[in-house]
Amino acid sequence: GQQVMQIPQYQHVQEGEDFTTYCNSSTTLSNIQWYKQRPGGHPVFLIQLVKSGEVKKQKRLTFQFGEAKKNSSLHITATQTTDVGTYFCAGPSYNQGGKLIFGQGTELSVKP
Amino acid sequence: GAVVSQHPSRVICKSGTSVKIECRSLDFQATTMFWYRQFPKQSLMLMATSNEGSKATYEQGVEKDKFLINHASLTLSTLTVTSAHPEDSSFYICSASRGFGNTIYFGEGSWLTVV
Repeated sequence: GQQVMQIPQYQHVQEGEDFTTYCNSSTTLSNIQWYKQRPGGHPVFLIQLVKSGEVKKQKRLTFQFGEAKKNSSLHITATQTTDVGTYFCAGPSYNQGGKLIFGQGTELSVKP
Repeated sequence: GAVVSQHPSRVICKSGTSVKIECRSLDFQATTMFWYRQFPKQSLMLMATSNEGSKATYEQGVEKDKFLINHASLTLSTLTVTSAHPEDSSFYICSASRGFGNTIYFGEGSWLTVV
């Protein structure tokens, strides 16, 4: 079945270092979404990428959508302790509207 | 502010009892809502799709008789965990969107502990 894979599972960085998480889908996606879940919290929508090769920035966060629309990445420049949490990518199901297929998530910890 | 509200945020119940969790879309109508379950340090696992006015669609491996879903109105879906057991203890989250292709909003989640 349709799968979304995400690596790494965990990433520990020193504050100020960069961080990247990668997402790969088994199928071509119409869009890809990124969510952040703080410890003990619920997923919060960060961004949606739609176009092939699209790059979007939100302050220190850079999101990319691959040319084939099967992979994506989230890069954080100069991490801060407020970046701590788990980052999930998610793609829509190809045959069920509104259903999201989530990656396993990358848990980011930042050492001050 | 929150556009999808979930209640209760935390609940403790005894084994064998039933617990109801509510998911409300606050300022929009949602014909479809989704219920997820999340174990610690793991991803969100879709349990079922809640359809207003019709039966929920359950994912493979999810017991429909144990996890009862009712989507009685366009702004409310409920998940009832029946005859709860300690292994049902988990974080349950709902989501909804204004329509297909729109941003999906998650509820705050409900921590269920069965003792």
